[in-house]
Amino acid sequence: SQQGEEDPQALSIQEGENATMNCSYKTSINNLQWYRQNSGRGLVHLILIRSNEREKHSGRLRVTLDTSKKSSSLLITASRAADTASYFCATDELGNQGGKLIFGQGTELSVKP
Amino acid sequence: GAGVSQSPSNKVTEKGKDVELRCDPISGHTALYWYRQRLGQGLEFLIYFQGNSAPDKSGLPSDRFSAERTGESVSTLTIQRTQQEDSAVYLCASSLRDRVDSPLHFGNGTRLTVT
Repeated sequence: SQQGEEDPQALSIQEGENATMNCSYKTSINNLQWYRQNSGRGLVHLILIRSNEREKHSGRLRVTLDTSKKSSSLLITASRAADTASYFCATDELGNQGGKLIFGQGTELSVKP
Repeated sequence: GAGVSQSPSNKVTEKGKDVELRCDPISGHTALYWYRQRLGQGLEFLIYFQGNSAPDKSGLPSDRFSAERTGESVSTLTIQRTQQEDSAVYLCASSLRDRVDSPLHFGNGTRLTVT
């Protein structure tokens, strides 16, 4: 079953603008992760935020987590054409011993030069 | 040193035939995962291995699907009597899983088309 729901499903912006993607989930979690997928490729890990963290930064990426609302957002600042890809949130559910991640449906980001 | 490798990258098969998909994880990664991704969709969990054991097979959609792992390395996903609804990209991932928060490292997938 899919735990995460992402919004928007598709986002088109101009280079230099910021892109914000949102993710909602249903159960208690150990952590939430964001992955990127270029067309025809596998997923690449971007950033992980633990359940006791509220905000995390990595380069141009900023992730927030609100466990009371069971939601997260990914902000990409000063976007580039090379950021064009699909972005997925994934949750590691509390009590999960195996590290299995439950993925959302993804947001397709298009950055126009 | 290489990443996760999957073969074949593309597979076209006729309905009713069996297929085997292979995954070579990153050396030393104890955990291995299979996911399925239908066109334009998110990832659907299939099975998880820790070493050569599969403690979680909850995502396998039917008894036509099976997987094994040997030598705490290579894994094969077998689909018997393929159906058109099996058409998808099958992604393999591995992780160290020596601590909580180990990210997953994905291969590029096998695109399966059942005609």
